[in-house]
Amino acid sequence: QQQVRQSPQSLTVWEGETAILNCSYEDSTFNYFPWYQQFPGEGPALLISIRSVSDKKEDGRFTIFFNKREKKLSLHITDSQPGDSATYFCAASGSFNKLTFGAGTRLAVCP
Amino acid sequence: GALVYQYPRRTICKSGTSMRMECQAVGFQATSVAWYRQSPQKTFELIALSTVNSAIKYEQNFTQEKFPISHPNLSFSSMTVLNAYLEDRGLYLCGARLNQDTQYFGPGTRLLVL
Repeated sequence: QQQVRQSPQSLTVWEGETAILNCSYEDSTFNYFPWYQQFPGEGPALLISIRSVSDKKEDGRFTIFFNKREKKLSLHITDSQPGDSATYFCAASGSFNKLTFGAGTRLAVCP
Repeated sequence: GALVYQYPRRTICKSGTSMRMECQAVGFQATSVAWYRQSPQKTFELIALSTVNSAIKYEQNFTQEKFPISHPNLSFSSMTVLNAYLEDRGLYLCGARLNQDTQYFGPGTRLLVL
């Protein structure tokens, strides 16, 4: 059973547009949701995270919108840049510090 | 800033042999270390979660007999892949937890098995 789902699998946007990456989860005990950015050949880098007590978290061009009732969240990347081209992973954890990852969304930003 | 180093970055071993990989947290003390394997399809599998002075908890399909882990202090952990075979190939990631909200990953050790 896939606990964390991401969509779309891949996404292409033009430079300057807003990229929207979606994530949903099954386990209602999940209360912490980090997003990781991974470039080819590198490990995942923590980008931004949110706890379930909040419905929005903003950090520069990156914003997480969280809907606890629907068990959904999304990552919005405004003013997308070619350097944002990477794979983005949504993860979730509950009380045991164990992160469960989604399958990732591959983002391509075209200049 | 907080960094996580992993060594080696890439290794090739013959089928049936073993290899050891290391993880070092720099600039912070990790409250726990998690070892993951990222498959060629990019999915993450949690191998085990290790907290200093506590028993290492292995996930289903992963055992101490196959993936022994040493975690002697708050900044260092090592894991060995024993008797590696083709299905063990992938990118092994070490995630060092700074606090409840922050887990940093190293660049990974890529294992190729011939």
